[in-house]
Amino acid sequence: AQSVTQLGSHVSVSEGALVLLRCNYSSSVPPYLFWYVQYPNQGLQLLLKYTSAATLVKGINGFEAEFKKSETSFHLTKPSAHMSDAAEYFCAVSEGPGNQFYFGTGTSLTVIP
Amino acid sequence: GAVVSQHPSRVICKSGTSVKIECRSLDFQATTMFWYRQFPKQSLMLMATSNEGSKATYEQGVEKDKFLINHASLTLSTLTVTSAHPEDSSFYICSARANAPKKLFFGSGTQLSVL
Repeated sequence: AQSVTQLGSHVSVSEGALVLLRCNYSSSVPPYLFWYVQYPNQGLQLLLKYTSAATLVKGINGFEAEFKKSETSFHLTKPSAHMSDAAEYFCAVSEGPGNQFYFGTGTSLTVIP
Repeated sequence: GAVVSQHPSRVICKSGTSVKIECRSLDFQATTMFWYRQFPKQSLMLMATSNEGSKATYEQGVEKDKFLINHASLTLSTLTVTSAHPEDSSFYICSARANAPKKLFFGSGTQLSVL
């Protein structure tokens, strides 16, 4: 069985501050892990993904995430927040390429000027 | 990269009417497509798995007679919300599975508002 827990449904950071969005997963097989961003009234945009290669994954818009098997975590970070980063972020897990996704409940990121 | 087209992006309908949402894989064949639903401020929940040429597999709690899924070709799956009610108002997203390499691609979503 697969599941994802995102701690913190709302996160606020000041512009220029570090962004840290938490994701913990549960999986009975080696997981594939994803972070998606969703802007208001829009679809999902893939930020980055982990597919059993390098544990530190770099994505678009300056985001990165580190897969830590011992902690069953895949936290998303960005060194310096921009106003344009304000959005909803979803962590997702799947069993392998092309398998269905299981999404976390999402974290709403607010960036304060 | 592979593209999945979902149409319409936004639809407003009257209560009691039916709405059809299309999900097309534009440059690959998708034997499997997934339909998700997202309520405001909530996560995406899998509704059903659509397999080309066979009946869809619905998740627990999803009414198959209300949410009709047809996957008649390798590039098209449709979700029809029958006799829509205001509580069906939601954001619906499809994803299509490419086989070579195996990967999921998401549509851009459909915002359904039932008045």
